[in-house]
Amino acid sequence: AQSVAQPEDQVNVAEGNPLTVKCTYSVSGNPYLFWYVQYPNRGLQFLLKYITGDNLVKGSYGFEAEFNKSQTSFHLKKPSALVSDSALYFCAVRMIYNQGGKLIFGQGTELSVKP
Amino acid sequence: DTGVSQDPRHKITKRGQNVTFRCDPISEHNRLYWYRQTLGQGPEFLTYFQNEAQLEKSRLLSDRFSAERPKGSFSTLEIQRTEQGDSAMYLCASSIPGQGTGELFFGEGSRLTVL
Repeated sequence: AQSVAQPEDQVNVAEGNPLTVKCTYSVSGNPYLFWYVQYPNRGLQFLLKYITGDNLVKGSYGFEAEFNKSQTSFHLKKPSALVSDSALYFCAVRMIYNQGGKLIFGQGTELSVKP
Repeated sequence: DTGVSQDPRHKITKRGQNVTFRCDPISEHNRLYWYRQTLGQGPEFLTYFQNEAQLEKSRLLSDRFSAERPKGSFSTLEIQRTEQGDSAMYLCASSIPGQGTGELFFGEGSRLTVL
């Protein structure tokens, strides 16, 4: 069965420092991978996706993510964190052959950026 | 605002009552998804429509749950005989037709509290 794991419930970083939010996946075949962000009492906002090609993808708000097939990982990164980046982050996977487009989400990682 | 719209944003009900949520997707999107999100967890897939056809239902969608999209535009999610375990955020999302690689666009969610 397809699954996504986010091993850290919470990540704490100081403003201006680089941040990494980890994600690993388990699927049969090649996946499409996504990152979403959720602010309190709000819906999910799309950040970026990996479909094929360059393993480093860039997205909204200065975020980027690195796809690593051998490690089945898709970690979210940002070179310099902002206090406004504090939110809940979700990694998600969609199977290429699942044309319905259903996403399977990880349990989420709460990012806290302190001044 | 041309995003995904959900109504009501918050519903408080007593155990045993029926509730209905409405979702209006982005107008040109023919795929519509319902997810459920409980506190501290990632969104869980419930069901999906392509136009008016309900093409997939999760085992999470018990007999008390029913979803419709009668004209291929807005959708409703009804929960009959609510239970306290139904308390959650119900998220609706839509996506562009013909793009298996595209992201899902989420609404703000409808939060259900069952007393």
